[in-house]
Amino acid sequence: DAGITQSPRHKVTETGTPVTLRCHQTENHRYMYWYRQDPGHGLRLIHYSYGVKDTDKGEVSDGYSVSRSKTEDFLLTLESATSSQTSVYFCAIRDQEGSYGYTFGSGTRLTVV
Amino acid sequence: DQQVKQNSPSLSVQEGRISILNCDYTNSMFDYFLWYKKYPAEGPTFLISISSIKDKNEDGRFTVFLNKSAKHLSLHIVPSQPGDSAVYFCAASPTSGTYKYIFGTGTRLKVLA
Repeated sequence: DAGITQSPRHKVTETGTPVTLRCHQTENHRYMYWYRQDPGHGLRLIHYSYGVKDTDKGEVSDGYSVSRSKTEDFLLTLESATSSQTSVYFCAIRDQEGSYGYTFGSGTRLTVV
Repeated sequence: DQQVKQNSPSLSVQEGRISILNCDYTNSMFDYFLWYKKYPAEGPTFLISISSIKDKNEDGRFTVFLNKSAKHLSLHIVPSQPGDSAVYFCAASPTSGTYKYIFGTGTRLKVLA
């Protein structure tokens, strides 16, 4: 299995503060994704990356930014956290070329108070 | 507008019986479909996939059926086991570009011993 880790696993932050979540992979895969999971909404794509410095928006990108300066790291930043961004965040990597599935990280539970 | 729908939020099945989970999609550009299983406090894990050139794919106890004309897919688990109790997500994507999967809202399966 591909190595993918998310940090932190849990975080509580105050409204209006910036927050950065990290996704780290050890498999040198090109594609990386950030999803959020909320009750009644399933998993929704926030941003994704198709290479170093190549990123694009997903369906719920407002209030989020991403950066990918190295193949192995994909950072998700909440510029000014709001209570509506309380969620579980999952990072995913697409497996090797020719495979269509994702491997997900274990998730980050973020609470904005 | 939900492009991938799982209309049953929950399902209970007796151990040893068949579990059938359903998923509908609206976008005719989708031609690759996945099912993921998710346990609490873990990331989703890949279960089974199907391409639109097929109408059935089988892997052990798990079979996915695709009805393109109805834009409907289903996951059959036979026989169901207590360890299958989890949330199941279907996901869809066109097989081109960046493979941005759109996920359904999930169905919580409970297998009763």
